[in-house]
Amino acid sequence: VQLVQSGAEVKKPGSSVKVSCKASGGTFSNSAITWIRQAPGQGLAWMGGIIPMFGTADYAQMFQGRVTITADGGTSTVYMELTSLRSDDTAVYYCATGVRWLQFFELDYWGQGTLITVSS
Amino acid sequence: EIVLTQSPGTLSLSAGERATLSCRASQRIDTNYLAWYQQKPGQAPRLLIFGASARATGTPDRFSGSGSGTDFTLTISGLEPEDFAVYYCQHYGGSPKYTFGGGTKVEIK
Repeated sequence: VQLVQSGAEVKKPGSSVKVSCKASGGTFSNSAITWIRQAPGQGLAWMGGIIPMFGTADYAQMFQGRVTITADGGTSTVYMELTSLRSDDTAVYYCATGVRWLQFFELDYWGQGTLITVSS
Repeated sequence: EIVLTQSPGTLSLSAGERATLSCRASQRIDTNYLAWYQQKPGQAPRLLIFGASARATGTPDRFSGSGSGTDFTLTISGLEPEDFAVYYCQHYGGSPKYTFGGGTKVEIK
C-alpha cells in the first residue's frame, strides 16, 4: 500500500486548506484511513478518519467543527479539509492506514506528510 | 478518554546499550490495542510493535514490547546507530479512535 499526499501549502489565518491522500496497492473501500497531525517539535495528534465503504467520518473532539474528511472511491483519494486556520495549525499532516480492513487499528502505512504553514 | 504518559522524556544512551521505554495508561487497556512507533527527523512514523508485543513486518528482533493493564514497555536490547529516534506509544480500538503518548527521545550519549 502506498499513500501519496499533496504538496506543502502556505495559508493565511482564517482561510481553509484541503489536503489529499491518494491510495494505491490495496482495497481502498475497505481501508480505514486516518489523519494525524504533528506541530513543529511536538507529538502526534489524531484528527479523524474515514472508511470509504461506509462514507461517514469520525473526528477528534479538538477538531470537531473545523475538519471534514471525505473519500472519493473513483480516484482512491481521501481529503482532509481544515477551516478557520490559525497560526497554531502550522504542522505536518499525515494520512495513514493499516492492513486490517474496516478497523481503525495499528497504522502500517503512512503518507509522506504535508506541511501546512499558516502565516499572515 | 485514556491518557498515555511516556517516560522518560529523553533517554541518553550509547550504542550497544539496552533501552527501556515506558508507556503508562490512565486506565486499564486491552493489550491487543497498544502499538509502538519510531520516528526519525523529517520522516513519517514507522510501526514497530502492535498488540503490545507483536513485531510489525521488518521490525528487528532487538525490539520487544511487553506489558499489560496500564503499564507497557518497549525494550531495545542493544542500540544500533539507526535506533536513535523518537518513540511513541499509541492506543487504538477505543474512543477516541487513537491516542498517542507524548514520545520518548532516544539520543546518543
